[in-house]
Amino acid sequence: NAGVTQTPKFRILKIGQSMTLQCTQDMNHNYMYWYRQDPGMGLKLIYYSVGAGITDKGEVPNGYNVSRSTTEDFPLRLELAAPSQTSVYFCASSYVGRSSGNTIYFGEGSWLTVV
Amino acid sequence: RKEVEQDPGPFNVPEGATVAFNCTYSNSASQSFFWYRQDCRKEPKLLMSVYSSGNEDGRFTAQLNRASQYISLLIRDSKLSDSATYLCVVNRGNQGGKLIFGQGTELSVKP
Repeated sequence: NAGVTQTPKFRILKIGQSMTLQCTQDMNHNYMYWYRQDPGMGLKLIYYSVGAGITDKGEVPNGYNVSRSTTEDFPLRLELAAPSQTSVYFCASSYVGRSSGNTIYFGEGSWLTVV
Repeated sequence: RKEVEQDPGPFNVPEGATVAFNCTYSNSASQSFFWYRQDCRKEPKLLMSVYSSGNEDGRFTAQLNRASQYISLLIRDSKLSDSATYLCVVNRGNQGGKLIFGQGTELSVKP
């Protein structure tokens, strides 16, 4: 029972490098999300998607891009990595519908350090 | 003002204690409310949804006061295994699944 799977789990990037965090879910959820969590802080929404082909900005979208070509996949792209992007990144998904409870399920997190 | 604000914590309590966490939200149009639990260096996991009538799950009781835009979580008979950070989560008004997280309240239960 995979749920939400994100890779890589750990990554060290140099300033200015780019990378993509991969996320896939096998629960046929319509909504997918990317959050970041800085030490001692709550989760901040970076981007979210309400379905394939549709994405929208969250609270802290600058420096990131996303795409949603399929229901299952929601990769997060970091362009020109900066030290301020050092954080733990969580991908998540949920089913939002008439009778759904909108429970959100998270991946295990990706620890990213930019040096 | 933050959209979702929680007690700053940390809460340090002995085993068997009763502890209450509070959370306020600013968007009066919010419809969905949850408490999540996050263990150190782990992903958040749903603890319980919060319904208007209040709900209970074993030692855990959640309450919602829409008029005051306030949510609470009560933990009775605390166990060592309850030590974690508790996150208050609210959806952003009529924006369906757009969930906003509070900063979390850390609980440490001591023997």
